[in-house]
Amino acid sequence: DTAVSQTPKYLVTQMGNDKSIKCEQNLGHDTMYWYKQDSKKFLKIMFSYNNKELIINETVPNRFSPKSPDKAHLNLHINSLELGDSAVYFCASSQGPAEETQYFGPGTRLLVL
Amino acid sequence: QKEVEQNSGPLSVPEGAIASLNCTYSDRGSQSFFWYRQYSGKSPELIMFIYSNGDKEDGRFTAQLNKASQYVSLLIRDSQPSDSATYLCAVQSLYTDKLIFGTGTRLQVFP
Repeated sequence: DTAVSQTPKYLVTQMGNDKSIKCEQNLGHDTMYWYKQDSKKFLKIMFSYNNKELIINETVPNRFSPKSPDKAHLNLHINSLELGDSAVYFCASSQGPAEETQYFGPGTRLLVL
Repeated sequence: QKEVEQNSGPLSVPEGAIASLNCTYSDRGSQSFFWYRQYSGKSPELIMFIYSNGDKEDGRFTAQLNKASQYVSLLIRDSQPSDSATYLCAVQSLYTDKLIFGTGTRLQVFP
């Protein structure tokens, strides 16, 4: 009964490859997010979707492209992976965009070699 | 200046003591303040949120907010070794709704 799930949990790949991370939530929430947590544990928002519409788009390289096929899913595609993309990527969801509680997925640990 | 600042620690306290975690923020338009706990290798989980100046208590946890000083803190009473984790302060802007996180304070509670 996982509330927010992500796949894969671990991702090891070579520079220049393209990869995708998938996120699903079964909480019935309208809003979903992608965060990046670097090696120093700094957690920074990348994107947010509300009811399949993009509402937050931080200064992220355009190699990163989110896609929300429906309210329960938010995927992240990364083109031409670089060493600096190595991090933990967390998906999260909340009832709405201004709701106090965001529920985080388990994270995807990406290592670019 | 970072938007949300925390001392990275580690903050070491003995079991049973009060742990005090502090956070300052730069945006005066911030309206909501959150404390998340993150165990090593795990995802952040919400402990408490606070909107109004003053104290908010929930079990062993007390959040304190002082908007004039742009300061928010978390007190953990009767600290347990299971409280050992990184505590992330997060601030939500009135204008953007996005959460801005601090870099976290690592707490170690020793028996």
